[in-house]
Amino acid sequence: KQEVTQIPAALSVPEGENLVLNCSFTDSAIYNLQWFRQDPGKGLTSLLLIQSSQREQTSGRLNASLDKSSGRSTLYIAASQPGDSATYLCAVRRNMLTFGGGTRLMVKP
Amino acid sequence: EAQVTQNPRYLITVTGKKLTVTCSQNMNHEYMSWYRQDPGLGLRQIYYSMNVEVTDKGDVPEGYKVSRKEKRNFPLILESPSPNQTSLYFCASSLRVENTEAFFGQGTRLTVV
Repeated sequence: KQEVTQIPAALSVPEGENLVLNCSFTDSAIYNLQWFRQDPGKGLTSLLLIQSSQREQTSGRLNASLDKSSGRSTLYIAASQPGDSATYLCAVRRNMLTFGGGTRLMVKP
Repeated sequence: EAQVTQNPRYLITVTGKKLTVTCSQNMNHEYMSWYRQDPGLGLRQIYYSMNVEVTDKGDVPEGYKVSRKEKRNFPLILESPSPNQTSLYFCASSLRVENTEAFFGQGTRLTVV
């Protein structure tokens, strides 16, 4: 059974820092990996989708990498802003989407 | 606007009273699924559907039913809700099961008393 782990569970940084969120998964037979953002009590907003054949994807200040063979993905956020404060979730897809527990990010002004 | 729409957004009900949470997508997606989100347990998949009349169990299907009679709709049915089904529920859809992005609805917060 696929298991997805996200480290750290919580992170607090000052505004302007570059930061890395980690995601690991146990079964490398995936179709893709998706990073989401969730604000408290709200729905999930898709940030980046990486296909199993890809190594990375970029969108603005966000860059996600995927190393399928080692079961790892990272989400890099450049020049963090208070508006980036949210919970970040990674999910891997085979027939089902399996989610990690999330990283709760707080960016302080 | 492309979207996944869930209704209702909030629901308080009593134990044993059957309820249905509706989910509709306007993107002609084949794949639809339901999740529940609980503190400390994260998001877990309840049921999914790869296409019309094709449904399968996720990780936590007990106490739930689904149907997929039309491509755009995927309702979640709780025949006899219990307090342990109090949760935040999300519906999602994607064009296909593989290699496509998942889009989520805004969520339904269900309280069973």
